[in-house]
Amino acid sequence: EAQVTQNPRYLITVTGKKLTVTCSQNMNHEYMSWYRQDPGLGLRQIYYSMNVEVTDKGDVPEGYKVSRKEKRNFPLILESPSPNQTSLYFCASTSGPSSYNEQFFGPGTRLTVL
Amino acid sequence: GNSVTQMEGPVTLSEEAFLTINCTYTATGYPSLFWYVQYPGEGLQLLLKATKADDKGSNKGFEATYRKETTSFHLEKGSVQVSDSAVYFCIQGAQKLVFGQGTRLTINP
Repeated sequence: EAQVTQNPRYLITVTGKKLTVTCSQNMNHEYMSWYRQDPGLGLRQIYYSMNVEVTDKGDVPEGYKVSRKEKRNFPLILESPSPNQTSLYFCASTSGPSSYNEQFFGPGTRLTVL
Repeated sequence: GNSVTQMEGPVTLSEEAFLTINCTYTATGYPSLFWYVQYPGEGLQLLLKATKADDKGSNKGFEATYRKETTSFHLEKGSVQVSDSAVYFCIQGAQKLVFGQGTRLTINP
C-alpha cells in the first residue's frame, strides 16, 4: 500500500529538549515536504526537499532542521523546541512539481511543547 | 503574491442537502487548483483537481470548475452524507502549494 508514515503520532515534551519526528514514504517519490497546521492559518510549509541531499526552506523554517540522506526518509528535527512550536505537523511526498502532482500526506504528528 | 481564500466555516448541513464551499484565488499565471479533504485524525487526501481554465474536477459526487474569469474553484455536491463530515482545503499549485485556511463541514443525520 502506498503510504507516508510519521512517528510519533503524539508527543509531549519540554522546552529545550531536542526531538526528531520521522517521515518515510514507500512510493519512490523525489519531492518531500514538512508542514505545520495551526488553527485559522491552514498549512504552512516548513522545509522541502527535491531529492537526496537537496533541501530548502519553506515559509516558516525558523527553529527547525531537516535532512535527506535517503530518498524514502525525511526527518524533522527540533534542536531546542519552544512552546510556539506546539502544532500539528504533516509530512508529504509527491512524484513531481507541486503544481500538477498529487501530494500524499502522512497522518500527522501532534506536538505539545511545555 | 499568490493567495487562496475559502469560505469561512464551520458549515453545518443536514444529510441530503446541497453543498457549496466557495474558493477564490489570486495568482500570477495559471496555477493548478486542488481540493483536499481531511477526515478526523488523518492527513489530507486529494479529492479532485483541475489544471487549466474551464476544467471540471470530480470525485465521489463532488465537483469543482476552474473559472478563470471569476478566479474561483467552488466545491459543490448535490446531496451530502454524514460521511462527508471533514475539513476541506482549497489549494493552489504554482511553484509551490498555497493553502486556503480550510472549511470544517459537519453533516447531521
